[in-house]
Amino acid sequence: KAGVTQTPRYLIKTRGQQVTLSCSPISGHRSVSWYQQTPGQGLQFLFEYFSETQRNKGNFPGRFSGRQFSNSRSEMNVSTLELGDSALYLCASSRDYNNEQFFGPGTRLTVL
Amino acid sequence: GQNIDQPTEMTATEGAIVQINCTYQTSGFNGLFWYQQHAGEAPTFLSYNVLDGLEEKGRFSSFLSRSKGYSYLLLKELQMKDSASYLCAVTSGGYNKLIFGAGTRLAVHP
Repeated sequence: KAGVTQTPRYLIKTRGQQVTLSCSPISGHRSVSWYQQTPGQGLQFLFEYFSETQRNKGNFPGRFSGRQFSNSRSEMNVSTLELGDSALYLCASSRDYNNEQFFGPGTRLTVL
Repeated sequence: GQNIDQPTEMTATEGAIVQINCTYQTSGFNGLFWYQQHAGEAPTFLSYNVLDGLEEKGRFSSFLSRSKGYSYLLLKELQMKDSASYLCAVTSGGYNKLIFGAGTRLAVHP
């Protein structure tokens, strides 16, 4: 069974731009969660989608948004990029809640 | 609020046993996960504890005490490849919001 895939793997943007990251969950998994990982803050929860609905949201500004499609693939968007948005963005999929979450390889975003 | 504490760094010798502790304070606790993360890679699942007690899986075991807000990950017969960060995470309030600790960097020496 294929694992969680994320595209692109690396991205370089400049301040003020916007970016869209993509995540394809494991087949049969309906929940997709997004996390931001930085050296200073560690792994922080962004949001979770289940059956195209956002079920939970972390403490990030409205510049961070996401969506999920009917095939469970998910995208997250960051608008008006700031230097502090430079991070590894990880998505994780699971069958439902309180199940093991499988992480993708991540997208490393650098904002210049 | 929610708070998860783990030691920042630990060192151990190949072949030895190491215990990584995690204490947490959270409302509406559901369960506790342990993940392993090698540098530059994604976290990989190690264990999930919902009830009190010890869960054993090969060389790795995880323990949970809900009343004490305490868990530990026990790694036996350490190998060099076990050098990694170990992340403790809790879920609360349902759904899949994982709250992670800062992680423990384990260095295994020959």
